[in-house]
Formats: sequence, C-alpha cells, structure tokens
Amino acid sequence: GENVEQHPSTLSVQEGDSAVIKCTYSDSASNYFPWYKQELGKRPQLIIDIRSNVGEKKDQRIAVTLNKTAKHFSLHITETQPEDSAVYFCAASNYGQNFVFGPGTRLSVLP
Amino acid sequence: NAGVTQTPKFQVLKTGQSMTLQCAQDMNHNSMYWYRQDPGMGLRLIYYSASEGTTDKGEVPNGYNVSRLNKREFSLRLESAAPSQTSVYFCASSPLAGGKETQYFGPGTRLLVL
Repeated sequence: GENVEQHPSTLSVQEGDSAVIKCTYSDSASNYFPWYKQELGKRPQLIIDIRSNVGEKKDQRIAVTLNKTAKHFSLHITETQPEDSAVYFCAASNYGQNFVFGPGTRLSVLP
Repeated sequence: NAGVTQTPKFQVLKTGQSMTLQCAQDMNHNSMYWYRQDPGMGLRLIYYSASEGTTDKGEVPNGYNVSRLNKREFSLRLESAAPSQTSVYFCASSPLAGGKETQYFGPGTRLLVL
C-alpha cells in the first residue's frame, strides 16, 4: 500500500522568512496530493492541492511542487506570518480514494 | 449549508461498550471517509465509501464497522470499545466527481475509552 513520509516534523522560522515542508510517497499510482493545515483543536482544512499532471501550483503565498519521477512533493510558504503557525499534513491518493496522510509538520512562526 | 456534521462531540466509554459515531453532509458529495487522529500523529483512514452503497477498508479498519445509510450519512460503529481506540475521529466528504477530490472535514468526535 501507499506510504507517505513527511519532513521535518517541526519547523521554526522567523516571521517574513520562507518555510518548506517535503513529502515522499511510494505508490506510483497516486495522482492527487493535497496539503492540509490544522490549528490546535480544529479540523484539518485544505490549503492547496496538486494533481500528477501538473508540476507546480501557486496560490498567493503558498505553492506546491511535484516531482513524479522522484515521488516527492513540497509545500512552500513565503513571507510567513504568525497565523501560519499550525500543523501541516500532506497526503496522497489515487483518484480521491484511500487517502494516506503524512505524520505532520508543526510550523512555528516566531515574531 | 452546515457542511459536514458529527455527533457526538465528546464521548466517554468503558472497555467493552459499543457506540456509533454519526456523520452527515449536506453538500451532495459522493464520497465519505472516517479517520482517526492520535496525539501528535497524522490522520489514518479507517473506512471510506466512494459512493452510496459501497464501503472499503482503509489503513486501520480492525475493531470498526461502517454503514453508508444514504448519500448524506455515514456512520462508524465500535462494537466492543478498547482503550487503544481512544482518539479523535474525523469524518470527511468529497465530491469525487468531475475531477474534484477535495475533502471537507467535520469538527471531530473526541472519544475516551477507559
């Protein structure tokens, strides 16, 4: 089955700096890769996603890149703000079925 | 629209008791999912239902059963609760049609098994 690894497990950055979180997956059949943000005590919320036919996608300060050959994808957050502090999860799925999540990255943005 | 709703919000069970977690969505989504989230860990898929009338096992199905009652509702049952099932349970739904796989999560049910 699919296995998703995520690094780093914790990340601290200064406000205004960039943050990068990386994930790898094992199943070449996976074709949908979402990223979720989860604040303490809240539900996960989608922040950006990418499909296997696209190499990069950007939404304001957030971008995701995908390397299908190497089976890895990354989340990039630029100009970080204190409200970006949360736990971020990557996931992999085959046509929206059987999602497998990474273990999460706790991002702290220091003022 | 309420989105995805879950009941109860919090539950305490004794080992061996049974209970059903309820989930409903009002977005006319085809697919529904049940996850558990343990402290400091990611979400692990228990069961999912790609469409009304179908259910499939996820990563950690042992000790659970599910019912897709209709397109709106997807319930998760613990027949004989164990302390290892102490967790936060999230339900999610997705259109899963027209290339739309985005999952929308409910607020979660916090379960404590003593």
